[in-house]
Amino acid sequence: QKEVEQDPGPLSVPEGAIVSLNCTYSNSAFQYFMWYRQYSRKGPELLMYTYSSGNKEDGRFTAQVDKSSKYISLFIRDSQPSDSATYLCAMIWVNDYKLSFGAGTTVTVRA
Amino acid sequence: GAVVSQHPSWVICKSGTSVKIECRSLDFQATTMFWYRQFPKQSLMLMATSNEGSKATYEQGVEKDKFLINHASLTLSTLTVTSAHPEDSSFYICSARVFAEAFFGQGTRLTVV
Repeated sequence: QKEVEQDPGPLSVPEGAIVSLNCTYSNSAFQYFMWYRQYSRKGPELLMYTYSSGNKEDGRFTAQVDKSSKYISLFIRDSQPSDSATYLCAMIWVNDYKLSFGAGTTVTVRA
Repeated sequence: GAVVSQHPSWVICKSGTSVKIECRSLDFQATTMFWYRQFPKQSLMLMATSNEGSKATYEQGVEKDKFLINHASLTLSTLTVTSAHPEDSSFYICSARVFAEAFFGQGTRLTVV
C-alpha cells in the first residue's frame, strides 16, 4: 500500500464548475499537507499549505484536512480553463526530510 | 513564496556526454535541496538529497556515480548526469524547503540522443 493515495483521473469539468480533488494517507505522523499545481513540462507550483485539521481558503481554492480520517481535499471554485493542470498532494512530518507525493490528478476545464 | 531557479530548462545531448543542471535558491539559503526525476504522467521520484558541505544521500536504486550531486554553497546545488544514455532522458526537478514548505524549480527536460 502506498503512503499517499490519489486518484490519477483524468477529471474533466465544464468551466465554472467546482473541482474536487482528494488524497488519503496511511502515515498518521504526517503533520504538513500541501497541494501543488503542475503544468505540462513545468515544475510543481505550491498552491496551498496547511498543518491543522479544518479548512483553509485562498481565493478560489479551499484546502481541507481531516486528520482523524487521514483525508485531505482541494476544492477549486469557479474553475477556469487556465486551471487545467495536474494537481499533486504532498505531505511531510517534521522529523523526516522527504515529501510523500500522491500520483497526481490531471484536470481539464472545458471552455 | 520562496523562489527556486533551475537551469537549463531543457537540454539535448549526445549519448556518452555529461550534462550539468543547476539549482539555485534565489531569496533564501537552503542547507538541503532535493533532486527528483519525473517520467511522463507519473509523480515525482526522489533521487537524492543534497546537503551543503557534505555528501549527497541517494535513494535506493539511484546510481551515485552516474548522478553526481554537488552542494557547494547555501544557494546552489548541481546535478551532473555523467555518460548520459537515452534511458536517462527525463524531466529533472530540484526542490528546496523552507521549514515544511517545499518549493520547486522549473524543471529540466533532458533528451539524450
